[in-house]
Amino acid sequence: AQSVTQLGSHVSVSEGALVLLRCNYSSSVPPYLFWYVQYPNQGLQLLLKYTSAATLVKGINGFEAEFKKSETSFHLTKPSAHMSDAAEYFCAVSDIGKGGKLIFGQGTELSVKP
Amino acid sequence: ETGVTQTPRHLVMGMTNKKSLKCEQHLGHNAMYWYKQSAKKPLELMFVYSLEERVENNSVPSRFSPECPNSSHLFLHLHTLQPEDSALYLCASSLVPPTGGGYTFGSGTRLTVV
Repeated sequence: AQSVTQLGSHVSVSEGALVLLRCNYSSSVPPYLFWYVQYPNQGLQLLLKYTSAATLVKGINGFEAEFKKSETSFHLTKPSAHMSDAAEYFCAVSDIGKGGKLIFGQGTELSVKP
Repeated sequence: ETGVTQTPRHLVMGMTNKKSLKCEQHLGHNAMYWYKQSAKKPLELMFVYSLEERVENNSVPSRFSPECPNSSHLFLHLHTLQPEDSALYLCASSLVPPTGGGYTFGSGTRLTVV
C-alpha cells in the first residue's frame, strides 16, 4: 500500500533562512507527487506537483521540490523563509494505477521566527 | 477563490440539531471528497464520490450522511452529533481518471458542536 512520511511534525526556522521540509513516499509505480499548504482555518492550496516531467519542480511563493526516485523522496525547499510562510504543509502521493486517490502525509507545521 | 465553494464557513450546532454542509464546484471535476480535520490529527478521508457514485466510506458514523445529487454538488448532512465531531470539514474535487492535477480544496466549514 502507498504511504507518505513527513519527517518532523514541526519545523522552526528564522526569517531569511533555508526552509527544508522532508517527504518520503512508497509506491510501486511512478507516482504523481504534490505539496499543499494550509493557512489557519483555510483549505489546502496546491503549492506544486510532480507528474513525471522535470524532476525539479517550481511552485508558487518561491518554493520548489525535487523528485528523487532512488531516495523515494520529494523534499520541499525555499532558499529564504518569509514570515508569511508560516503554515501547515502536506505532502501527498497519487497512485495513477488506483484511480489517482491522494494519500496525504501527517503534515509539517512551519514556524518562522523574526 | 479556488473554484470549490463550501458553505457555511462556520457552524455552531447543538447535539440534537440537524444541519447540512454544502460543497459546490464548477471545475468540470467528476469526483468529490469529504475530509475531517481535527486539531493535532491527520486529515481523515470520510467519503469519496466518483461519477456521482459513493465509492468509499471510511467507517464514518451514521450521524454523518453524504449526498451527491450531481457531479457539481456534494452535501454532508449532520444529525445528533457529539462534541468530538467538532472539526474543520473540508471538501475537495478532482478528475478521474487522474490527469496529474491533484485535488482542489474548498476553504472548509469550521463546525463546533455544543
